[in-house]
Amino acid sequence: DQQVKQNSPSLSVQEGRISILNCDYTNSMFDYFLWYKKYPAEGPTFLISISSIKDKNEDGRFTVFLNKSAKHLSLHIVPSQPGDSAVYFCAASARENTDKLIFGTGTRLQVFP
Amino acid sequence: KAGVTQTPRYLIKTRGQQVTLSCSPISGHRSVSWYQQTPGQGLQFLFEYFSETQRNKGNFPGRFSGRQFSNSRSEMNVSTLELGDSALYLCASSPGPPGDTQYFGPGTRLTVL
Repeated sequence: DQQVKQNSPSLSVQEGRISILNCDYTNSMFDYFLWYKKYPAEGPTFLISISSIKDKNEDGRFTVFLNKSAKHLSLHIVPSQPGDSAVYFCAASARENTDKLIFGTGTRLQVFP
Repeated sequence: KAGVTQTPRYLIKTRGQQVTLSCSPISGHRSVSWYQQTPGQGLQFLFEYFSETQRNKGNFPGRFSGRQFSNSRSEMNVSTLELGDSALYLCASSPGPPGDTQYFGPGTRLTVL
């Protein structure tokens, strides 16, 4: 059973607009969440994280929002750029800095001109 | 539908030994990717297979090898184990060619003493 779910396999956004990628989780013990970006033939690379004590974390064009009551997080990319086209994975762990992450299935983002 | 299964879940070996890890993808999935997850290096790509053919390989020494069988099951072998090979090895499967969204297995935790 998927503990971390990304229900949208793909998303297509025009350059300059906002991209919103969603992630839901079921395990209430999760308290640390990460987003990874993956290009073909490479491993996912870390993008941004958020601890459960916060509801928002921002890094440049990337912002992650956490809604603990809904067990939902989202990644906002503003403005979207063609280089953002990749597969984005949401991941969660039961404590920070663990090497045991539970990954979602990923969402393929395509940013077109 | 059963998820991705990996066996064994835990393994302890000594330096110089070899190890074989197994991954059974979701039924109907034809693509399998392998990753090494460590606290310091994060998630690193090992290789990916599609229809019994290795499509891509990460930057790991030749001691790391793999294969995929006609039923899409995959094995990963590490020879002459080193202490630094201690990690969580994740397998992920996807329905189509590499690059698609992926379903991660629970991982095999390898400890090299």
